[in-house]
Amino acid sequence: DAKTTQPTSMDCAEGRAANLPCNHSTISGNEYVYWYRQIHSQGPQYIIHGLKNNETNEMASLIITEDRKSSTLILPHATLRDTAVYYCIVRADNTDKLIFGTGTRLQVFP
Amino acid sequence: GAVVSQHPSWVICKSGTSVKIECRSLDFQATTMFWYRQFPKQSLMLMATSNEGSKATYEQGVEKDKFLINHASLTLSTLTVTSAHPEDSSFYICSYQGTDTQYFGPGTRLTVL
Repeated sequence: DAKTTQPTSMDCAEGRAANLPCNHSTISGNEYVYWYRQIHSQGPQYIIHGLKNNETNEMASLIITEDRKSSTLILPHATLRDTAVYYCIVRADNTDKLIFGTGTRLQVFP
Repeated sequence: GAVVSQHPSWVICKSGTSVKIECRSLDFQATTMFWYRQFPKQSLMLMATSNEGSKATYEQGVEKDKFLINHASLTLSTLTVTSAHPEDSSFYICSYQGTDTQYFGPGTRLTVL
């Protein structure tokens, strides 16, 4: 079973920041937080991952709370093409399985 | 990131026939890869993990004799759905294990009539 909980859906206006929360209260010390997204009828796309420090790349920022029980994915300037299902996944290392939960369906509107 | 292709992108077949789906890593060699399936409006479900040169490991509830996986090389894996039935209609997605994450193919939509 997935070890994370996410809101079922969220809306965001184009150009605004999209903040997607994820709860992972049972995360272990050696588990990373990964974020993927899946645009309709496509394969998932890797976004970002982190262990305990905040991370930023060209796609997004990942903010992990100090107790590591929750995190937030931030898309700083959402566009219509960011409309997708976003999955938050915890896994121990790169050889661990990816167990997908239900994710958050983000709808970006004009 | 690595580029992964799947062929075909969609296929329609009659009940009872077998369908082969190819998954290729175009710029990356990986010893481990994964096959997922996704039913409409549901999340991805891991079917099996395969390592090059050895037999695949199937998740609970996935029939190994029905879903044949051949990890032929570091850049090619195939999934054969044998004696397909309408309930096998789904979106099948492969992924390769990279150095820091998994890279997914675009998926293959299988429709069994």
